Amino acid sequence: AQSVTQLGSHVSVSEGALVLLRCNYSSSVPPYLFWYVQYPNQGLQLLLKYTTGATLVKGINGFEAEFKKSETSFHLTKPSAHMSDAAEYFCAVREGDSSYKLIFGSGTRLLVRP
Amino acid sequence: EADIYQTPRYLVIGTGKKITLECSQTMGHDKMYWYQQDPGMELHLIHYSYGVNSTEKGDLSSESTVSRIRTEHFPLTLESARPSHTSQYLCASSEGLAPDTQYFGPGTRLTVL
Repeated sequence: AQSVTQLGSHVSVSEGALVLLRCNYSSSVPPYLFWYVQYPNQGLQLLLKYTTGATLVKGINGFEAEFKKSETSFHLTKPSAHMSDAAEYFCAVREGDSSYKLIFGSGTRLLVRP
Repeated sequence: EADIYQTPRYLVIGTGKKITLECSQTMGHDKMYWYQQDPGMELHLIHYSYGVNSTEKGDLSSESTVSRIRTEHFPLTLESARPSHTSQYLCASSEGLAPDTQYFGPGTRLTVL
């Protein structure tokens, strides 16, 4: 069965510092992988997604993620944090075309210090 | 940019009331979903629909019901609200083609007193 683990329920960085949010998944077939961001009292906004092909995926707001099959990881990074990046981030996996389900991790709250 | 709308955004009601949370999308997506999300927690799928007149229960047991009479509309109803129903409810729709990306509405935050 597929699952998603996000390491660290809270991550705190200084403004301008590197952002690294970790996501590991388990899937018996090649997965589709997603990162969503949720601002307070909002729905989820798609940041980026991995389907097939290039393993380094670029998204909105300067974020990118790299699919590493050998490590079953899909970590989210941003070179320089902005105050506006403070939000909750969710990693999700969909197990190929055979499943309608999107399985979410428990989320990581990113705090950005001035 | 996805066009999916939810009303109301916030709702505070008393126990025993019947409520309907509205969700509409203008993208012509066949698939729609309802998730429940408690503060600081992950999302749990409670209902989904593959198209008109198709509804299924999700992974998390819910006392709510849904209907899908029109492609663009997927309302969720609670016949008798209880404090345990207090939560955020998120509606989503997806394009149906791989990877079937889901797009979310802004959510309805429900408080039952």
